[in-house]
Amino acid sequence: DSGVTQTPKHLITATGQRVTLRCSPRSGDLSVYWYQQSLDQGLQFLIQYYNGEERAKGNILERFSAQQFPDLHSELNLSSLELGDSALYFCASSATTVLTGELFFGEGSRLTVL
Amino acid sequence: AQTVTQSQPEMSVQEAETVTLSCTYDTSESDYYLFWYKQPPSRQMILVIRQEAYKQQNATENRFSVNFQKAAKSFSLKISDSQLGDAAMYFCAYRSARGDMRFGAGTRLTVKP
Repeated sequence: DSGVTQTPKHLITATGQRVTLRCSPRSGDLSVYWYQQSLDQGLQFLIQYYNGEERAKGNILERFSAQQFPDLHSELNLSSLELGDSALYFCASSATTVLTGELFFGEGSRLTVL
Repeated sequence: AQTVTQSQPEMSVQEAETVTLSCTYDTSESDYYLFWYKQPPSRQMILVIRQEAYKQQNATENRFSVNFQKAAKSFSLKISDSQLGDAAMYFCAYRSARGDMRFGAGTRLTVKP
């Protein structure tokens, strides 16, 4: 158990809909990261937050948005969903943004868009 | 932007043998960290080993070791005495000074009994 909690674990929805994925980082971790993993692909970096502020942005679509709240949990909002958005979405956390820390990953939220 | 390349989509090794997974990266930064993560069928991401760029000594964790060639921007993972439980996807990752981590496309390792 990494200590990172993601909900829901599975989600099935239709094209055009909007969903919210939630992540609770490990206790004390200030940084939260979101990744997308399509079937049998690598992890694509979406966005990183540190203590409530956006720190780095990757290949995140304009239809997607995220935020980190004062209690440090984070939400990833996916809107106008398309079939290609079906993927495993990982949240990860680390204590700080310094280089030494590994990222601790949640178990992922599997999104299926029909 | 930093890129991480894993040129071997699939690798196979006989149980108890040794296998090396390749990884190269592109960066203009001088200070960074490199990681290997393992993703078994459960999809959980598990840290295997890490390497500080400023250290010349290669990192070792039990049966896992790396060959870090900074000038060549190469970071390979060697698994010795391969076990059936080593079968998984292996991802090479680069962590920049900003803190974000980028992954390669992965190498699927099969271990044959």
